[in-house]
Formats: sequence, structure tokens, C-alpha cells
Amino acid sequence: AQTVTQSQPEMSVQEAETVTLSCTYDTSESDYYLFWYKQPPSRQMILVIRQEAYKQQNATENRFSVNFQKAAKSFSLKISDSQLGDAAMYFCAYLNYGGSQGNLIFGKGTKLSVKP
Amino acid sequence: DTEVTQTPKHLVMGMTNKKSLKCEQHMGHRAMYWYKQKAKKPPELMFVYSYEKLSINESVPSRFSPECPNSSLLNLHLHALQPEDSALYLCASSQGGQKNSYNSPLHFGNGTRLTVT
Repeated sequence: AQTVTQSQPEMSVQEAETVTLSCTYDTSESDYYLFWYKQPPSRQMILVIRQEAYKQQNATENRFSVNFQKAAKSFSLKISDSQLGDAAMYFCAYLNYGGSQGNLIFGKGTKLSVKP
Repeated sequence: DTEVTQTPKHLVMGMTNKKSLKCEQHMGHRAMYWYKQKAKKPPELMFVYSYEKLSINESVPSRFSPECPNSSLLNLHLHALQPEDSALYLCASSQGGQKNSYNSPLHFGNGTRLTVT
């Protein structure tokens, strides 16, 4: 069975600085997808970024980028130029290739605080 | 603004009450989901509807009864709940049905905060 581990329950960053959230996962599959979701106090889960395992190039979305290390089964999220609106709970998630989005496996989350 | 609308935002109910949670989307998505989220925990999948048919039921107690009247609506009927059922209930949708829906990410609503007294 696949598992997702987020080892940092809480993180804090100064506004305009850079922060990296860690995620590791365990799978015997070779094809899969990885995601980072953000859940602010408004409660809505928002997709931040996604990565296909077969792609070597790390995904980027504006200030958000990932460091995907397939051999190490690591998928960290880097937030550059942190903004107050980035404060939220961040969940790392895994999905088998061809699987339903309903089969997402979530990590336990990292609560990010942004200090002004 | 969320494209998946959930009502009510908050609900307090007694253990003998019957209530319903509602979810609506108008993005033409054919897969809809119910998740349960306890405080400081990740969401847990409850049900998946694909093309208005129940395709996944994650061993959820029968006091939770889902219903998909049409492709835009998803309900969760609640009856005889327990205090431990208090949680945030999230609805989500995705395009194209269940299988191989990776290229259509989940769109979540803002959830219903349920308290069972």
C-alpha cells in the first residue's frame, strides 16, 4: 500500500522569504502522480501544483515549485517570496497512474504560518 | 469564489435528527465526491459518484446516505449520527468520470462544518 509522509507538522516563514515543505512517499509503482494541495482557513482545498512521475523536469507554478527526487521518493514544495495569503495547511498527495482522483492518498499536512 | 457550492456552511444537529448536506457544481463534471475531514487531519474519502452512479463507498456507516439526483447535484443524507461524526464535510468534483481522471483535478467546495450534539 502506498503511504505519504509529511514530517513537518508546522512551519513558519517570514513574508517575502522562501520556505520548503517536505514530503516523502512509498510506492512500488513506477507511474504515478504527486500533488500539493493548500487549505486556507476558508476551508476550500485548492490544487497548488502537480507532478507526473515519468517527467524528470520539476513542475513550477509561479512562486511554487517542486523538487521531485524519484529515486529517493521525495517531493518537496518550495514557496518563494512568501505572502500572507500563503498561510494555510498544505497537503501532499499521491495518485496511482490511471486511478480515480477519489483514490488520492494524502499526507497528514503541514501548517504554514507567514509572519509579516 | 468556489465553483463547487455547498450548503449549509454550518450545521448543528441532535443525534435523533435527520438532515441533508447539499453540493452543486455547474462545470459539467461527471464525477462527484464526499470527503470527511476531522480537525488537523487530511480529508478521508467517503463516496464517489461517476456518471450519477455510486462507484465507491469506503465502508461508510449506513447513517450516511448519499444521493446524486442529477449530474450537477450531490446530497448527503444524515440520520442518527453520533458525536464522533462531527467534522468538516467536503464535496468535490472532477471532469470525465472516474477512471483516468488525472488530467482533471479535483475542485473542492468550502465544506459544511457539522456538529452533532
